[in-house]
Amino acid sequence: EAGVAQSPRYKIIEKRQSVAFWCNPISGHATLYWYQQILGQGPKLLIQFQNNGVVDDSQLPKDRFSAERLKGVDSTLKIQPAKLEDSAVYLCASSLFRGRADEQFFGPGTRLTVL
Amino acid sequence: LAKTTQPISMDSYEGQEVNITCSHNNIATNDYITWYQQFPSQGPRFIIQGYKTKVTNEVASLFIPADRKSSTLSLPRVSLSDTAVYYCLVGERYGGSQGNLIFGKGTKLSVKP
Repeated sequence: EAGVAQSPRYKIIEKRQSVAFWCNPISGHATLYWYQQILGQGPKLLIQFQNNGVVDDSQLPKDRFSAERLKGVDSTLKIQPAKLEDSAVYLCASSLFRGRADEQFFGPGTRLTVL
Repeated sequence: LAKTTQPISMDSYEGQEVNITCSHNNIATNDYITWYQQFPSQGPRFIIQGYKTKVTNEVASLFIPADRKSSTLSLPRVSLSDTAVYYCLVGERYGGSQGNLIFGKGTKLSVKP
């Protein structure tokens, strides 16, 4: 079974630039999550999708972050414009069910460095 | 969602059994207890999940007392490759609860030779 795919793996940009991350979840998984993990901290949930609808985006900084999941499969997370404090690893995860405690399968993450 | 408390770090030696305890005093009736493992430069990986009593798989055991206000992850005979951060989470498995899913800082386990 193929795992969660993410790209790019690494990205370096300057502040005020834009960046986009892509995620392809495990086939058949209806729920998709985007997390932000700052060095030394646990993952922080940014947004949760159920199919192509948003379940929870309460922690997403909507003035600069946006995410979409077209056709209920792939998803993109965009930051525009980036700030220095956005430097982090962005993790995508998927799960079969909607409940938060359902086993989540994580991708390798995208490490973003904002200079 | 119930908030969890776990030690920031633990040290062990190869071959020892390691027990990591997590407190979740406000656990709700429908909540499950889940543990994840994270190696550097990787996403977290599901280890084990339980609702009550004891659950065992090929990697670990999870002990949950009757009041469910805490749980203990047990790793038998650890090796250097078990050095990682371990997260305890509490939440509903089905249905979908609102509110943030909190990983916390986890417990950094260091296994020495």
